[in-house]
This record gives sequence, C-alpha cells and structure tokens, in this order.
Amino acid sequence: GNSVTQMEGPVTLSEEAFLTINCTYTATGYPSLFWYVQYPGEGLQLLLKATKADDKGSNKGFEATYRKETTSFHLEKGSVQVSDSAVYFCALSDRWEGFQKLVFGTGTRLLVSP
Amino acid sequence: GAVVSQHPSRVICKSGTSVKIECRSLDFQATTMFWYRQFPKQSLMLMATSNEGSKATYEQGVEKDKFLINHASLTLSTLTVTSAHPEDSSFYICSARDARGGSDTQYFGPGTRLTVL
Repeated sequence: GNSVTQMEGPVTLSEEAFLTINCTYTATGYPSLFWYVQYPGEGLQLLLKATKADDKGSNKGFEATYRKETTSFHLEKGSVQVSDSAVYFCALSDRWEGFQKLVFGTGTRLLVSP
Repeated sequence: GAVVSQHPSRVICKSGTSVKIECRSLDFQATTMFWYRQFPKQSLMLMATSNEGSKATYEQGVEKDKFLINHASLTLSTLTVTSAHPEDSSFYICSARDARGGSDTQYFGPGTRLTVL
C-alpha cells in the first residue's frame, strides 16, 4: 500500500538557519505530493505541492522537488523564522485512487528560536 | 487558495449526547469532502469520504452508526457524533476536494475540538 515516511522531530533551529525535513514515499501508481503545515490549535494549510516527477513546489520561501528516482519530496527553506514554528506534514495522493485519498506522514514539529 | 470553514470550533458536551459538526466550502463546490480525526501530537487519521448525494465511505474500523455523515449539498457536509463518550474526545478536521481546472487539491478546515465529559 501507499505510505509516507517523515523524519522524526522535533527539529530545533535558530532563526535564519537552513531547514531540511526529509520525506520519502511508497506508492503503487503516480502520486501527487504535498506539504501541509499546521500551526498550534489550527487545521492544516496547504504549503506546496508537485504533481509529477522533477516538479518543484514552492511557497513562502519553502521548496520541495519531486524526485521519482529516490521517491523523495524533502522540504527545504534557506532561512527560517520564528513564525515558521509549526508541524509539517508530507502527504501523497495516488492517481489509482482517483487522486482522492491523502496519505499523511506522521508530521515533523519545527521549533525555531530567536 | 480555496476556503473551508468548520463550525463549531470547540464543543464540550456530556457523555451520551450527540454533537453535529459542519464543514463548508466557501468559494467552491466540493463533490467530495473528507473527515479526519487527529489525536494529540499525532497525524491525521482518515475517517470517511463524503460524496454529495450518496452514502459516505468509511475507513476500516470507523463505526458508521456512531459517526454519521451527511453531504447535503455541494458546499456542506456534516459529521454527527452520536452518543458521544469521553474516548470520542479529539480534534476533528474536514477537508474539501477542489477539482477545478484539474488541480485536485484538498483544502482543510480549521478543525473542531470536541471534549466529552
């Protein structure tokens, strides 16, 4: 079956540090890949997405590249801010299920200190 | 991006009562909505897929008689937790599928925190 594996957190960084959150996936079809962010006490917000191999999703300084050869979709940001502190979820949606169901990773908590 | 709302944001109820949670897509029509449950510091667990005009599809292990889902229109789905018990206390999140222009993206509501006393 389909699955998503994320690095365990928390990830603790100082402001302006470089961020990488690793995400790898297993899928039987041709998935779309997503990063969602959840701020404390809130629902999930779509951060970025990529729908095919070699696509790069980007938003608010975050980037992730769909790497089919390594089945990865790592999230990166060059300089994090305190306001980036949140939980980040990697997810996939598989074409063979009509692009409907999202499969989430366990989430990675990011803590950024001033 | 598209906007999805949930109501209420928080609810506290007594054991044995029923609670209804609404999920609305505000600026698009969603033929498909999803209901998730999230336990503290854990990922989201898909409970059911709600399709407008038809019965919901429940994930394995989710009691359909306990978690009643009604997708009454293209912009509204409701989840009713019947005869709630303390173990039903959780954070419930809905999402709506936006398939406009072939994008096929789920947009999430802000969540509803249910506490059953």
